[in-house]
This record gives sequence, structure tokens and C-alpha cells, in this order.
Amino acid sequence: AQSVAQPEDQVNVAEGNPLTVKCTYSVSGNPYLFWYVQYPNRGLQFLLKYITGDNLVKGSYGFEAEFNKSQTSFHLKKPSALVSDSALYFCAVMGRRALTFGSGTRLQVQP
Amino acid sequence: DTAVSQTPKYLVTQMGNDKSIKCEQNLGHDTMYWYKQDSKKFLKIMFSYNNKELIINETVPNRFSPKSPDKAHLNLHINSLELGDSAVYFCASSQFLAGLNEQFFGPGTRLTVL
Repeated sequence: AQSVAQPEDQVNVAEGNPLTVKCTYSVSGNPYLFWYVQYPNRGLQFLLKYITGDNLVKGSYGFEAEFNKSQTSFHLKKPSALVSDSALYFCAVMGRRALTFGSGTRLQVQP
Repeated sequence: DTAVSQTPKYLVTQMGNDKSIKCEQNLGHDTMYWYKQDSKKFLKIMFSYNNKELIINETVPNRFSPKSPDKAHLNLHINSLELGDSAVYFCASSQFLAGLNEQFFGPGTRLTVL
């Protein structure tokens, strides 16, 4: 069975600094990996996905993620954090016709 | 236009009652899902329908019954509500294509069982 791990419950970063939200995965076969963001009292919004191709995937709102097959990781990154990026971030892997989500990482960007 | 809508947004009810949550998508997608998000924000798939056919039914109690009258709708009926059913329920949809496409989520229904 597929699984996703997000080792950090919370990440704190100052506005303007780079941010990284970590994700590792476990699947049999090729991984289809996704990042979603959840703002307070809202549904999840798609940020980006890795299916195949370039290991660096660019997504919405200036986010990008790096797929690393040898480390089975798919870390989310942004060069310069904004206060408005503060939210809950979920990494997910597509399994048997549905997404398996990580436990989520709360990103707090301080002004 | 709202892509994936759910009603109601909030639902407060007594233990033992029966309630329904409705979901509609206007994206023309062929697959719809129900997810449960618990108080610790952990998200878990409950059901998935493809072209009105149930394709995933995770270890969910029989008290939960999804119904898909057509491709655009996936409703969730819950019988004999229990305290542990309190959670936020999210509907989602996608054009399945072997899992390559992203899912679009509704705003969620916060269910509180007293």
C-alpha cells in the first residue's frame, strides 16, 4: 500500500526567506505525487503534481517541488515566503484510484 | 461559478439521527470522492465513484451510504449518527485518467454530533 510522510507538524519561516516543506513517499511502481494547500475553513486547493519528466515541478503561487527518486522525497519549496502563504500543506500520492494524504504541515510565515 | 459545491456547510445534530450531505460538480468530471478530515486535520478517503459506479469503499461503517444519481452528484447519507462521526467531510471530483489529474475539492461540511 502507498503512504506519504510529512515529518514536520509545523514550519516557521520569516517573510522573504526561502521555505521548504518536506514529504517522503512509499509506493510500488511509478509515483504520482501531489501537493495541496488548505486555507482556514476552506477546501483543499491543488498546487502542483509530479507524474513524469523533469524532477523540478513548478506550480501555483510561485511554489515548486523537487522529486528525488533515490531519496523517495517530494519536498515543496518557494524561494521567498509571503505571509499569505501561511496555511496547511498536504502531500499526497495517487494510489488505487484515490489520493493518500500525508498528515499535513502547518506553514507559518512571520512578517 | 462554484466548481464543487456542498450543502450544508455546517450540520449540527443529535446522536442517533440520520443526515445527508449533498455534493455537486459542474466540471464535467467522471469521478467523485468523499473524504473525511478529523480534528487533527488528517484526511482519509471514504468513497470514490466513477461514472456513477462505486469503485472505492474504504473501511467505512455501513451507516455511511453514498448515492450517485448522476455523474455530477455524489451524496452522502449517514444513519444513526455517533459522536465519532464529528468531522469535516470533503467532496472532490476529477477526470480520472489513471490518476494523473488533480482533484477539485468542495468547501467542506462540518458535521458536529452532540
